[in-house]
Amino acid sequence: RKEVEQDPGPFNVPEGATVAFNCTYSNSASQSFFWYRQDCRKEPKLLMSVYSSGNEDGRFTAQLNRASQYISLLIRDSKLSDSATYLCVVTRVGSSNTGKLIFGQGTTLQVKP
Amino acid sequence: DARVTQTPRHKVTEMGQEVTMRCQPILGHNTVFWYRQTMMQGLELLAYFRNRAPLDDSGMPKDRFSAEMPDATLATLKIQPSEPRDSAVYFCASGAPTTSISLNTEAFFGQGTRLTVV
Repeated sequence: RKEVEQDPGPFNVPEGATVAFNCTYSNSASQSFFWYRQDCRKEPKLLMSVYSSGNEDGRFTAQLNRASQYISLLIRDSKLSDSATYLCVVTRVGSSNTGKLIFGQGTTLQVKP
Repeated sequence: DARVTQTPRHKVTEMGQEVTMRCQPILGHNTVFWYRQTMMQGLELLAYFRNRAPLDDSGMPKDRFSAEMPDATLATLKIQPSEPRDSAVYFCASGAPTTSISLNTEAFFGQGTRLTVV
């Protein structure tokens, strides 16, 4: 079983739709959480960090549930330019694993006109 | 505009040949990661370094892969001998802890080396 699991999709949604992605992680020592975005044939780039209290950045909302070891990303009012793969990332703190970034396999989003 | 630089961008080689990939991390970043990405496995962490010291290379096949940081401005990943199953995109990323408490590392990725072994 992978340490970080995501539904690979693809999620096909119309413009303007709201879409949510989920991610689960297995290591309770995970400390920090992120969502990265990767466009086709490009490198991953940080989309947003995920804080315990939940956080919002424009149309994007990230939530963390430590008890269930679950992270989510909500995209409201989807744009064509949101089409990409969204990668869930966790890190661990402690001894030699400090700052080790573990990526999920990614969830692909296709926004259609 | 600070960025992680990887060379070469593309490499086609024959099975059995040595392949060396290079990475210049962002100046001042003390953490360097090597990832391999394939359609089947996604992004797999091969190795990572902090302050040039290897912290974890458990994701790397030791018999043929090696990763080093000869200095703070250069990280290398070598495959010898290469095999067709090594065909993938290899990403280098660098980061620096954002605070001393959380050691919350955002990683900045290079554009990757697309390796094809025939």
